[in-house]
Amino acid sequence: AQSVTQLDSQVPVFEEAPVELRCNYSSSVSVYLFWYVQYPNQGLQLLLKYLSGSTLVKGINGFEAEFNKSQTSFHLRKPSVHISDTAEYFCAVSGTSGTYKYIFGTGTRLKVLA
Amino acid sequence: DAGITQSPRHKVTETGTPVTLRCHQTENHRYMYWYRQDPGHGLRLIHYSYGVKDTDKGEVSDGYSVSRSKTEDFLLTLESATSSQTSVYFCAISEGWSMETQYFGPGTRLLVL
Repeated sequence: AQSVTQLDSQVPVFEEAPVELRCNYSSSVSVYLFWYVQYPNQGLQLLLKYLSGSTLVKGINGFEAEFNKSQTSFHLRKPSVHISDTAEYFCAVSGTSGTYKYIFGTGTRLKVLA
Repeated sequence: DAGITQSPRHKVTETGTPVTLRCHQTENHRYMYWYRQDPGHGLRLIHYSYGVKDTDKGEVSDGYSVSRSKTEDFLLTLESATSSQTSVYFCAISEGWSMETQYFGPGTRLLVL
């Protein structure tokens, strides 16, 4: 079985500052990892995903994430945020084998301040 | 953008009444999902489908049923709505299984009075 934890429910940050949104997971099998973004009153859309290979994954809108197997983490980073990055961000984990499970975290609300 | 529509987009209903939400896709994706989104819980899977007439339960399936008679349509029914089912409901689709991106519809806001 898989589970995912997003420790921060809200993260305020000033415009042009760097940000890191944390995601930790647990799983008894190898995993695929995802970050999705949800803008107000919209559905989720994919930012990036890790399937295999390089542990540093680059996504849309300047975001990147690093898969750390030993720390069971997949933190999302952006070196300089914009007002338009204000949204809710969801980490998700899926197992590579066994019973289907695609589990979403509880989300982190990023608020970019002017 | 993936072609996914949900109807209705907003609904207010009374406790005990049946409610059906519709998800329609134009992408011909095999997999379809219904989630509910609630503060503090993120997204939780209600039911999913892996083909026409092939469906299975998710983690919060009690009080919900689904049907998929065509590739493009996935219906979610609340047989007798309760206030605890007030939520935002999202449909999603994907081409494949666990490694695939899920594409989400715009959501349906349901208020059960």
